[in-house]
Amino acid sequence: SQKIEQNSEALNIQEGKTATLTCNYTNYSPAYLQWYRQDPGRGPVFLLLIRENEKEKRKERLKVTFDTTLKQSLFHITASQPADSATYLCAPQGSDSNYQLIWGAGTKLIIKP
Amino acid sequence: DTGVSQNPRHKITKRGQNVTFRCDPISEHNRLYWYRQTLGQGPEFLTYFQNEAQLEKSRLLSDRFSAERPKGSFSTLEIQRTEQGDSAMYLCASSGDSLLVDIQYFGAGTRLSVL
Repeated sequence: SQKIEQNSEALNIQEGKTATLTCNYTNYSPAYLQWYRQDPGRGPVFLLLIRENEKEKRKERLKVTFDTTLKQSLFHITASQPADSATYLCAPQGSDSNYQLIWGAGTKLIIKP
Repeated sequence: DTGVSQNPRHKITKRGQNVTFRCDPISEHNRLYWYRQTLGQGPEFLTYFQNEAQLEKSRLLSDRFSAERPKGSFSTLEIQRTEQGDSAMYLCASSGDSLLVDIQYFGAGTRLSVL
């Protein structure tokens, strides 16, 4: 069955450093991969989408890579700030009309001042 | 339109009672999803609507759960004979900006506590 794996333990990063989160998937060949941010008690909020034919996507301090050979996506936050502390979820999506996203469990990121 | 709205935000109920949640999606979105989320887990898919048609329902979903989306607008999720294991955050999301890419917009969720 399709499986999405994200760092299960919280990631503690010093303010100003780059945070890197990993998303691995198995038994799946997604055409797109999305990253969302979720704050406690709130719904997820869309951040970035990357397509299978794109190696890298950037938005301000965020960067996402997508390696279809390794079946992995990396999510980077550069110059991290305490306000970046949240849980980050990855969600691959197929290319057919089945719109369902397959959700990872998320990685909790803590940026220490 | 200010986004996806869910009501109530919190619901406390006794085991065996029925509960109903409401979701108002972004008005121009034709797709609507219900998810359940427990602490430390990602959203778990429950069901999906395209306009008023319920196209998919999780095989893991008990018959006690039912959802409707009359006229393809708002949606309701009902849980009958609630059990303590139903305690979770229930999230609603809508989408429809693109035919292929499904960027989902979530509401703030309804937190259910079954005593």
